[in-house]
Amino acid sequence: DAGVTQSPTHLIKTRGQQVTLRCSPKSGHDTVSWYQQALGQGPQFIFQYYEEEERQRGNFPDRFSGHQFPNYSSELNVNALLLGDSALYLCASSLARERGNQPQHFGDGTRLSIL
Amino acid sequence: AQTVTQSQPEMSVQEAETVTLSCTYDTSESDYYLFWYKQPPSRQMILVIRQEAYKQQNATENRFSVNFQKAAKSFSLKISDSQLGDAAMYFCAYRSYDQGAQKLVFGQGTRLTINP
Repeated sequence: DAGVTQSPTHLIKTRGQQVTLRCSPKSGHDTVSWYQQALGQGPQFIFQYYEEEERQRGNFPDRFSGHQFPNYSSELNVNALLLGDSALYLCASSLARERGNQPQHFGDGTRLSIL
Repeated sequence: AQTVTQSQPEMSVQEAETVTLSCTYDTSESDYYLFWYKQPPSRQMILVIRQEAYKQQNATENRFSVNFQKAAKSFSLKISDSQLGDAAMYFCAYRSYDQGAQKLVFGQGTRLTINP
């Protein structure tokens, strides 16, 4: 049973560039959430995708956008990268119809460094 | 908006002893879920224990248990018989009861060190 997989593991970009991060949810899951975790901080919710639509969004600028594909996998896109975008980006998956106490399953994250 | 606060940036404990990590939260909702996640250096968030707010009984998972005080909005994690493998960052997280609201609100984390 494959868990949540994210790619790439590490990424180095320069200011102003654009980046795309990818996530494949746990087998059987249909909802994908993205989180940004700055060094030494707790994860911050970016947005959530279900049925190929953005269902919830955290307090992040429009430079952060996403997409969900028919196979439930998802991409996170960040434009005009800033130094402050350097962080670990975590993807989590879940099943929309599950009871709320069912945990989200997390991937190992993508470490994004902006130079 | 809900907030989660972990007031202990770092904690340490001797192997085989007991340690308690603190968490408080703020919400106007009456029903919600609370979680403790563990994040080792491998980075993956691993669920340790969960609690439904409508349940008065404190959750227990082997060596891990919680002290849930709903009126005080407190949700502490107790680790008994600490093991070297318990060393990690621990995050307390809140989730709304609303089925459509699946986002987690995390605290700042507590780094737990286990001394052999």
